[in-house]
Amino acid sequence: DTAVSQTPKYLVTQMGNDKSIKCEQNLGHDTMYWYKQDSKKFLKIMFSYNNKELIINETVPNRFSPKSPDKAHLNLHINSLELGDSAVYFCASSKSQGTNYGYTFGSGTRLTVV
Amino acid sequence: GNSVTQMEGPVTLSEEAFLTINCTYTATGYPSLFWYVQYPGEGLQLLLKATKADDKGSNKGFEATYRKETTSFHLEKGSVQVSDSAVYFCALRSGGTSYGKLTFGQGTILTVHP
Repeated sequence: DTAVSQTPKYLVTQMGNDKSIKCEQNLGHDTMYWYKQDSKKFLKIMFSYNNKELIINETVPNRFSPKSPDKAHLNLHINSLELGDSAVYFCASSKSQGTNYGYTFGSGTRLTVV
Repeated sequence: GNSVTQMEGPVTLSEEAFLTINCTYTATGYPSLFWYVQYPGEGLQLLLKATKADDKGSNKGFEATYRKETTSFHLEKGSVQVSDSAVYFCALRSGGTSYGKLTFGQGTILTVHP
């Protein structure tokens, strides 16, 4: 199936731990994103990569580090997890040319920090 | 910068009622406009889009018209069903210094009762 797939779907971990979320797309898109959705459903962009190059880096704590080994993959590593990091994290991809295209989203990773 | 404002929710309707969710935007240039839907426990799905003024996007009985003069993109459906219960997001995408970033409104929770 053509899609954006994220793993894991659920992640429960203790404060202070380090964790990673992986994302892969097989749509042939050249741009990938990480969004954070808080408990009120508000969506905020965190990072964007275009052909493995970081192009958007919003105000995000430097405990969050994205990595894009190739244009089909974008991973998110989080160090020293805090309670406030609990949220749903969505990966998305799109074509970069023009603004007529929407994004295709993964199904999300629900991170709970206890 | 770009911004999207949606009507406050949650919205509760009876089946077969008429739905309107208001959306207004602020953007430089000529953005493309989108409506996304998020069903419980799932990622965001593109519902419809419009890429220039006076365009009408439509899908699954939902419609929205790109109104440049009022900077609006209101979502409508003539007769909602219980299965339409979800969170609806208005969004815009423009180029330039925003790097094609998709900017979301705050989301509107819709609940439809039988």
